[in-house]
Amino acid sequence: QLLQSGGGVVQPGGSLRLSCTASGFGVSAAAMNWFRQAPGGGLEWVSTISGNSDIIKYGDSVKGRFTTYRDNSERTAYLQMNSLSLDDTAVYYCAVGVDVWGQGTLVTVSS
Amino acid sequence: DIQMTQSPSAVSASVGDRVTITCRAGQVISDYLLWFQQKPGKVPQRLIFRSSSLRDGVPSRFSASGSATEFNLTISSLQPEDFATYYCLQHSTYPWTFGQGTKVEVK
Repeated sequence: QLLQSGGGVVQPGGSLRLSCTASGFGVSAAAMNWFRQAPGGGLEWVSTISGNSDIIKYGDSVKGRFTTYRDNSERTAYLQMNSLSLDDTAVYYCAVGVDVWGQGTLVTVSS
Repeated sequence: DIQMTQSPSAVSASVGDRVTITCRAGQVISDYLLWFQQKPGKVPQRLIFRSSSLRDGVPSRFSASGSATEFNLTISSLQPEDFATYYCLQHSTYPWTFGQGTKVEVK
């Protein structure tokens, strides 16, 4: 399973780092994805990082503000979120590929 | 970016009904199209890969078809556990893009 942590409430302009740790299986060869879902809204792809981190992609809405990285020795992927805005309020999911998902973590940007 | 236009946004149906959901891509995406089911408070579950291949364990009442720019997901005989929201996702080109979702509701 994938265990997520790091969500919470942050003020506009603030930063937050999400973690996603694989438990019980290795992920070093697998691409990991981040998705998000605003309250009552649809799904949005946020970022993808390849197994060896040589390919990293971002959605247009987060490019330049969010950074994805991973530590395969720790079986953990991270999503560093900077310059957060109200529009970033969402449940954030990590996933190995598109089949194994974390439980989701709520990020609320509010003043 | 490739826009995915999903329709309808919602459908009211009864158990036993046949339901079809459509996704149209703004440009050719070959068969790089996935379908997900999401129930309230749950993480999305992939139903279909490669536009028409059923994931192991997904009931055979689900089927999908299409290529290039037009894709369909069909539930042949709706069951109580199928009331959920369905999303298509194109993964042909970054940024990946989802359809807006189709909520299948009880009539």
